Amino acid sequence: DAKTTQPNSMESNEEEPVHLPCNHSTISGTDYIHWYRQLPSQGPEYVIHGLTSNVNNRMASLAIAEDRKSSTLILHRATLRDAAVYYCILEGGYQKVTFGTGTKLQVIP
Amino acid sequence: DTAVSQTPKYLVTQMGNDKSIKCEQNLGHDTMYWYKQDSKKFLKIMFSYNNKELIINETVPNRFSPKSPDKAHLNLHINSLELGDSAVYFCASSHQTAAFFGQGTRLTVV
Repeated sequence: DAKTTQPNSMESNEEEPVHLPCNHSTISGTDYIHWYRQLPSQGPEYVIHGLTSNVNNRMASLAIAEDRKSSTLILHRATLRDAAVYYCILEGGYQKVTFGTGTKLQVIP
Repeated sequence: DTAVSQTPKYLVTQMGNDKSIKCEQNLGHDTMYWYKQDSKKFLKIMFSYNNKELIINETVPNRFSPKSPDKAHLNLHINSLELGDSAVYFCASSHQTAAFFGQGTRLTVV
């Protein structure tokens, strides 16, 4: 499975934008980039996914590098409810979603 | 309405017992999964079923046996429970894109 590398933890002030990076240098041409997050004591929650182009939805934006070897999840205005572990995942078929260690985001009031 | 529901939410049992965790999804998805999250919070896929057929089995001990009576259900049966089976087990379902997860079942083996 292609692997992803994320910082273990990040901090952000409330109501400021947050950029969560992910490196995936071994990504293959058919791998989708997915982001999930897990709030404390809850199951993982889908955030966004993309293949080549940048994507926006109501939760976040996903910026994908031109060579696809990295991506960035952007939360436009962090709230306390966004404090969670964010997982960057490559999904390459058979819908096999394999989680890494993720980035623990702390939002400071 | 809960999209993916698991029961029970908490399960405490003794070593050697057999237990089951049930999962149901009302999303009409073709694919369902079981994941295990250990004490270090690492989420690992265990099984995946597509239209009631097993497609992924990630070297899980034979004591774990998933059963899919229909597309909407994927139950997990565990025989001869061991201390190391203590974890949070998540059920999920997906259709082509996003996976939707249940709230988890915290299993504690004593």
